[in-house]
Amino acid sequence: AQKVTQAQTEISVVEKEDVTLDCVYETRDTTYYLFWYKQPPSGELVFLIRRNSFDEQNEISGRYSWNFQKSTSSFNFTITASQVVDSAVYFCALTLNSGGYQKVTFGIGTKLQVIP
Amino acid sequence: DTEVTQTPKHLVMGMTNKKSLKCEQHMGHRAMYWYKQKAKKPPELMFVYSYEKLSINESVPSRFSPECPNSSLLNLHLHALQPEDSALYLCASSQEPGLAGGLIEQFFGPGTRLTVL
Repeated sequence: AQKVTQAQTEISVVEKEDVTLDCVYETRDTTYYLFWYKQPPSGELVFLIRRNSFDEQNEISGRYSWNFQKSTSSFNFTITASQVVDSAVYFCALTLNSGGYQKVTFGIGTKLQVIP
Repeated sequence: DTEVTQTPKHLVMGMTNKKSLKCEQHMGHRAMYWYKQKAKKPPELMFVYSYEKLSINESVPSRFSPECPNSSLLNLHLHALQPEDSALYLCASSQEPGLAGGLIEQFFGPGTRLTVL
């Protein structure tokens, strides 16, 4: 069975601070995919970043960066110079592909509040 | 068009009503999903359709009945719901993973906020 743990349930930062959201996952599959999704108060989940299990190269995309470490089963996500619009719930997700569809296991979510 | 649309945005229904939620996408995705999300919880998978066939039913009560009339549409028929079924219902779609190298995201609609009285 798959499991995703987001130990931080709520984080508050002051605008322009950097913030890192933690994610630890468990799976016995060797091929899997990791995602971060953002859910603003409007409700729609928005895809942010992704990584497959074979690629541990960490990347930066604009204000977003991520640190994937297979040895510790962690997929942490950092927002640099946070903005008020970043306030939302962030979900880490572990995805397995099965035939023509995906099976997604979400973490419980981390609510980020960016204070002006 | 990279959008998943859902109607209605809000729905209030009594326990004896019959209603339907609708979801539509025009991205050519052949996998479509229904999720249920309670407040302060992550989305929980309910159903998956792949190529218009039901692939996963996560032991959802029969008062929820999914339907996929064609590759662009997904419905969720509701009948005799309970107050505890009040939640945000999210629809999502994705490409077939095998065609896209596996690393694909799901596209989510804005959801329908359902209240059962």
